[in-house]
Parts: sequence; C-alpha cells; structure tokens
Amino acid sequence: SQKIEQNSEALNIQEGKTATLTCNYTNYSPAYLQWYRQDPGRGPVFLLLIRENEKEKRKERLKVTFDTTLKQSLFHITASQPADSATYLCALLSTGNQFYFGTGTSLTVIP
Amino acid sequence: EAQVTQNPRYLITVTGKKLTVTCSQNMNHEYMSWYRQDPGLGLRQIYYSMNVEVTDKGDVPEGYKVSRKEKRNFPLILESPSPNQTSLYFCASAPRGSKVVEQFFGPGTRLTVL
Repeated sequence: SQKIEQNSEALNIQEGKTATLTCNYTNYSPAYLQWYRQDPGRGPVFLLLIRENEKEKRKERLKVTFDTTLKQSLFHITASQPADSATYLCALLSTGNQFYFGTGTSLTVIP
Repeated sequence: EAQVTQNPRYLITVTGKKLTVTCSQNMNHEYMSWYRQDPGLGLRQIYYSMNVEVTDKGDVPEGYKVSRKEKRNFPLILESPSPNQTSLYFCASAPRGSKVVEQFFGPGTRLTVL
C-alpha cells in the first residue's frame, strides 16, 4: 500500500515568515495530491489539490508544489499568522479511489 | 447548510456490545468514507463507498461493517467492539466527477471501548 511521510511532527515559526511543510510518498505516483487543515477536536478541512501534471498551485497565501520525480509535495504558507496554527495533512488518492493520509505536521505560528 | 453529520459525537461502551455510528450528508455526494484517527498513525481509511450499494475496503476494515442503502447515509457498524477500536472516527463525503476530489469531513465521533 501507499506510504506517506510528513517531514516533522511539529514546526514553530515566527509570525510573518514562510512556513514550508513536506510530504513524501512511496510507491506509485498518484493522480493528484491534496492538503487539509485540521484544528484540535475538529474534522479536516480541504485546502488545495495539485494534479500530477501541475508543478505549482496557489491560493491566496498558500502554495503547493508537486515533484513526481522526487515523489514529494511542498506546502508553503507565506506571511504566516497565528491563526494559521493548526495541523496540516497531506493526502493522496490511489487508482482504486482509496485515500491515504500522512500523520500531519503541527504548525505553531509565534506572534 | 451543507454539512456532514455524525452521531453520536461521544460514546463509551463495553467490549462486545454492538454499536452503530451514523453518518449523513446533505450535499448529494456520491462518495462517502469512514476514517479512524489515532496518535502517531494519522487518518486511516476504514471503508469507502462510490455510490449506493457499492462499498469497498480501505486500509483497516477488520472489525467494521458498513452499508450504503441510501445516497445520504453511510453508517459504521461495530458488531463486537474491542478496546483496540477506541479511536476518533470521521465520516467524509465528496462529489464524484471523473475522480474523487475534495472531501468534506464530519465533526468526528470519539469512541471508547472498555
């Protein structure tokens, strides 16, 4: 089955800096990769999706890249704010419509 | 309001006592799924359904059953719960185009099996 690793369990950064989160996967390359945000005690919320034929995707202060050669996606939050503090999950969809999630990276933005 | 609802939100039960966690969505989504979330293991898919009467196993289906008799409902059944099924459970739904894309998650059900 697919295995997904996210770079670190926790990441602390200063407000205003860019946060960069990493997602690596093994085995086959998925058709696309997704990023979700999860706040404590709540369900994940979809943020962005990037397809295998796309190098980069942006949405407001968020940017996602996808490198199928490295089997890696990077998730950037620019001009980070304390309200961005949450756990961020990457997920991919297998050819059989089964989802695999990483364990998440807990981001804390320090004022 | 478009949403996925789960009931109950919290449940404490004993080993072997059958239970059902309900999931309902009002977005007319074809795809529905159940996940469990455990510390250090992340979200793992239990079962998913592409449409009515179509269900498939995810990564961790052992000890669980599901049914999809109506498009809006996707209950999770634990016939004989065991302590290792203590977890936080999430239901999710998604529209299905050529591929399943954005998933909408419910608020979660925290289950404790004693």
